[in-house]
Amino acid sequence: QKEVEQNSGPLSVPEGAIASLNCTYSDRVSQSFFWYRQYSGKSPELIMSIYSNGDKEDGRFTAQLNKASQYVSLLIRDSQPSDSATYLCAVNTNDMRFGAGTRLTVKP
Amino acid sequence: SQTIHQWPATLVQPVGSPLSLECTVEGTSNPNLYWYRQAAGRGLQLLFYSVGIGQISSEVPQNLSASRPQDRQFILSSKKLLLSDSGFYLCAWSLGQGNGYTFGSGTRLTVV
Repeated sequence: QKEVEQNSGPLSVPEGAIASLNCTYSDRVSQSFFWYRQYSGKSPELIMSIYSNGDKEDGRFTAQLNKASQYVSLLIRDSQPSDSATYLCAVNTNDMRFGAGTRLTVKP
Repeated sequence: SQTIHQWPATLVQPVGSPLSLECTVEGTSNPNLYWYRQAAGRGLQLLFYSVGIGQISSEVPQNLSASRPQDRQFILSSKKLLLSDSGFYLCAWSLGQGNGYTFGSGTRLTVV
């Protein structure tokens, strides 16, 4: 079982829709959770962090964490073509473990 | 503010040649430093991490090595490159466990 699992996609949504990205992790003692955005050919950029159960909102982004289900998600509201990228879920226990990423395409 | 510099941006090297990639961080002290590799269409593989000068932990045995000669300098090296060493190499820093990572701009290495 992979430590951090994501659906590789591609996930395609129309402009203005809500994009929902999901991630599961295997280590129950994990305490810190992150979402990174990676544009094609570029390095990952940290966009959200979440440490406790529930929702955390930052602009159009909402991160959701459910430790009991070992599940993290990222919602992007009012999706824009500029949101088209690969989104990496990362879980920090002793070190940061990354999922393989979900490729999101927002169509105009 | 903190910045991370990584160079070169691209590199084409023949099989069997040596490698040296450098990463420096500005604006912070005693950062945790990391080297990752990302193969085409794949996830991030942790290669090395360092919590202090001269302290290097290796995640996978291979023909790569890392050194941290100064607090904010992290170097990735190889004596003889293999074709399988091709990939996107990323340096990152953090303030410690539980904090997010900030990545450098990466080095795209092609071994031919």
